[in-house]
Amino acid sequence: AQSVSQHNHHVILSEAASLELGCNYSYGGTVNLFWYVQYPGQHLQLLLKYFSGDPLVKGIKGFEAEFIKSKFSFNLRKPSVQWSDTAEYFCAVIRNNDMRFGAGTRLTVKP
Amino acid sequence: NAGVMQNPRHLVRRRGQEARLRCSPMKGHSHVYWYRQLPEEGLKFMVYLQKENIIDESGMPKERFSAEFPKEGPSILRIQQVVRGDSAAYFCASSPVRGPGELFFGEGSRLTVL
Repeated sequence: AQSVSQHNHHVILSEAASLELGCNYSYGGTVNLFWYVQYPGQHLQLLLKYFSGDPLVKGIKGFEAEFIKSKFSFNLRKPSVQWSDTAEYFCAVIRNNDMRFGAGTRLTVKP
Repeated sequence: NAGVMQNPRHLVRRRGQEARLRCSPMKGHSHVYWYRQLPEEGLKFMVYLQKENIIDESGMPKERFSAEFPKEGPSILRIQQVVRGDSAAYFCASSPVRGPGELFFGEGSRLTVL
């Protein structure tokens, strides 16, 4: 079955640590890729998206993601996390009109 | 410019009752998606609607669940004869066009079934 996998369910980091959250998908062909963030008690917000072009995508709040087609991956990175980055992060893949989400990764940043 | 509006934010129902969740998309958006988020799980696609049409309901349970998006008014997700397993957060998202693109999410409706 086609799916979106986020390998880490819960990540705990100290402030200033570097972050990398994995996302793999199993769709073939052309896809569009997204990372959404859900802060506690809030709705999902778009962090960044990839449609085409440079596979290294810059998003808001210092986040970036790299699309590696050969690995079917779109990992999210941030060089130095802050306490305010504590949230749940969702990878999403659109193929045709079908948008599917990963199970999410909960990030806890300790001050 | 109001975002996606969902109501109620919190809904408590007893087993066997009906739950109705409403979603008003962003102004100018004619495409609505419903997702369910269960504890410790991600967002699960339920249904994709355009005005007066169900485009994809492959994620909807076959029984008790239905959705509509009438010509006028909000989209409604209806759950009949709720069971405890229906307790979840239900998110609505909208987009202005069909096809790949950003979805704009509402704040969700949390259903609790006693």
